[in-house]
Amino acid sequence: SAVISQKPSRDICQRGTSLTIQCQVDSQVTMMFWYRQQPGQSLTLIATANQGSEATYESGFVIDKFPISRPNLTFSTLTVSNMSPEDSSIYLCSVVGVGGNEQFFGPGTRLTVL
Amino acid sequence: SQQGEEDPQALSIQEGENATMNCSYKTSINNLQWYRQNSGRGLVHLILIRSNEREKHSGRLRVTLDTSKKSSSLLITASRAADTASYFCATDASGSARQLTFGSGTQLTVLP
Repeated sequence: SAVISQKPSRDICQRGTSLTIQCQVDSQVTMMFWYRQQPGQSLTLIATANQGSEATYESGFVIDKFPISRPNLTFSTLTVSNMSPEDSSIYLCSVVGVGGNEQFFGPGTRLTVL
Repeated sequence: SQQGEEDPQALSIQEGENATMNCSYKTSINNLQWYRQNSGRGLVHLILIRSNEREKHSGRLRVTLDTSKKSSSLLITASRAADTASYFCATDASGSARQLTFGSGTQLTVLP
């Protein structure tokens, strides 16, 4: 399976600021996704990160709040913009490898907004 | 949106016992995947079962899938304290572009 890293692993941020989370994979993958896990909850898909084009967002998530980039097949960023305490969550990237169906997850970024 | 429901929400057993967790979903699927999460960390992929498969094994794990009932179960045999974690099922719906919809999760506690 692919090795996925995320940076930062955790952060504490002030209301109104923005944080960019990076996701790096050690091999080329076909699909990359971003999920959010609110405290005590399950995971919810934010968007599909499309290589070289705009991300595809799920209902309830918008580009202005969660801009996503994917400049190549192994790297993506998620920005959480104009943060509020309600954005406190774990943010996880995931990938589907070439020719595979399994979806593998990064270690997550734990975000706390004060 | 959350498609799946898992039960029980919480399960506490003694080491050595078997643990069974169930997952139900609502739409047709390509496959169903089970994950483990320890204390709010990243998800560990356990097993994938395709829609045309009925049972799959991996070590102490046994997964079943009943597409007519839209349900799956995960059995962990001879549980260990290290199996203590949250377990999630996730479905890859037919016609989706591999996006996963997660169940609500089962918190398993294995007591030494």
